[in-house]
Amino acid sequence: DIQMTQSPSSLSASVGDRVTITCRASQTIHTFLNWYQQKPGKAPNLLIFGASKLHDGVSSRFSGSGSGTEFTLTISSLQPDDFSTYYCQQSYNTPRTFGQGTKVEI
Amino acid sequence: QVQLQESGPGLVHPSETLVLTCSVSGVSITSHYWSWIRQSPGKGLEWIGHVYHSGSTKYSPSLKGRVTISVDTSKNQFSLRLRSVNGTDTAVYYCVSSDWERNDFDYWGQGTLVAVSS
Repeated sequence: DIQMTQSPSSLSASVGDRVTITCRASQTIHTFLNWYQQKPGKAPNLLIFGASKLHDGVSSRFSGSGSGTEFTLTISSLQPDDFSTYYCQQSYNTPRTFGQGTKVEI
Repeated sequence: QVQLQESGPGLVHPSETLVLTCSVSGVSITSHYWSWIRQSPGKGLEWIGHVYHSGSTKYSPSLKGRVTISVDTSKNQFSLRLRSVNGTDTAVYYCVSSDWERNDFDYWGQGTLVAVSS
């Protein structure tokens, strides 16, 4: 199985801050990397697929980069609605695996 | 728009079989492939497996032997059967669609909490 490791596990930030979350894969996954946002009690929502492509309707303040084994999700200017937990996920092979999550808090 | 809705019991007894169904609307079940993902209380996301409209499947090795995912194209539904459940199977179960080209999880059901308890 490909292990996905996110850092940090949690972070505190303020509205307007630039936030970066890192995701590392235990082996190369090229750009088969997706990012999701999850709010308490809700299903995750797809933000970015293919490491850097924005899903329909997702704000352009979200961006993704990376390839191989190291990836980042950046929120350019944190908004109140962005305080959530974020997960990376590899779609290079099965079993599909997720990072452990990064909780973005005030 | 694409909508997925899980249905099934909220309580299953230990050693019994958990059965959930996902009803898909807004798109043909042949247009995507279909997964089950679960999330234990306060924990992260775990992929269980997926099914293609042909009926071909892939499962998580950690659950293989206990899990079956099937599809009913005539009803636009797919289902999960998890045998011999125990307390570690208590989780919110999500049904999810995946785009053929992108291989992401693009549409999710709202999730259904299944508790395993006597």
